Amino acid sequence: AQSVTQPDIHITVSEGASLELRCNYSYGATPYLFWYVQSPGQGLQLLLKYFSGDTLVQGIKGFEAEFKRSQSSFNLRKPSVHWSDAAEYFCAVGITTTSGTYKYIFGTGTRLKVLA
Amino acid sequence: KAGVTQTPRYLIKTRGQQVTLSCSPISGHRSVSWYQQTPGQGLQFLFEYFSETQRNKGNFPGRFSGRQFSNSRSEMNVSTLELGDSALYLCASSLFGLAGGPTLQETQYFGPGTRLLVL
Repeated sequence: AQSVTQPDIHITVSEGASLELRCNYSYGATPYLFWYVQSPGQGLQLLLKYFSGDTLVQGIKGFEAEFKRSQSSFNLRKPSVHWSDAAEYFCAVGITTTSGTYKYIFGTGTRLKVLA
Repeated sequence: KAGVTQTPRYLIKTRGQQVTLSCSPISGHRSVSWYQQTPGQGLQFLFEYFSETQRNKGNFPGRFSGRQFSNSRSEMNVSTLELGDSALYLCASSLFGLAGGPTLQETQYFGPGTRLLVL
């Protein structure tokens, strides 16, 4: 079955440190890949997305993600974390179902805490 | 341009009751999708409406239903509420929705959600 795994439920980093959030997916073909961020009391905001082409994708707020087909991964990175990055991050894949429709599958999220 | 709005933001109901949630998409967007978000389960897709027609449906019981109006506003209804229905319900709007897959120009914009507590 198709699935998205975010193995880290919580991550704590110091302000200014680098960040990598992991995302792995299970799907028979190459899916469309997304990262969203959710701040408390807010909806989800799209950080970046991958459809095809260059496997390193740049997003908003200084985030980037790299698609690695061989590892079925789409990890999110940021070189220097700011306190305002504290939030919950969701990886999602867009897949075509056996019935021909299209849907998103979301991971369970990684909650990021930033220490001053 | 105003974002996606959802009303009410918070709701407390008791088991057995029914509830209706509302979502107003971004102006010009014709697709509205609904998701249920619970701790540990992440976001689960409920259904998608496009031009007043349900075009896509997730694996939820028939107690969950929805509709879309001609102005693209959408409502979601949950009947015979259960404790397990307590969740954050998010709606997302986009121009054309999920038909044929996404494009670089097609993005889902999420509302702030309605937090439902069932006692």
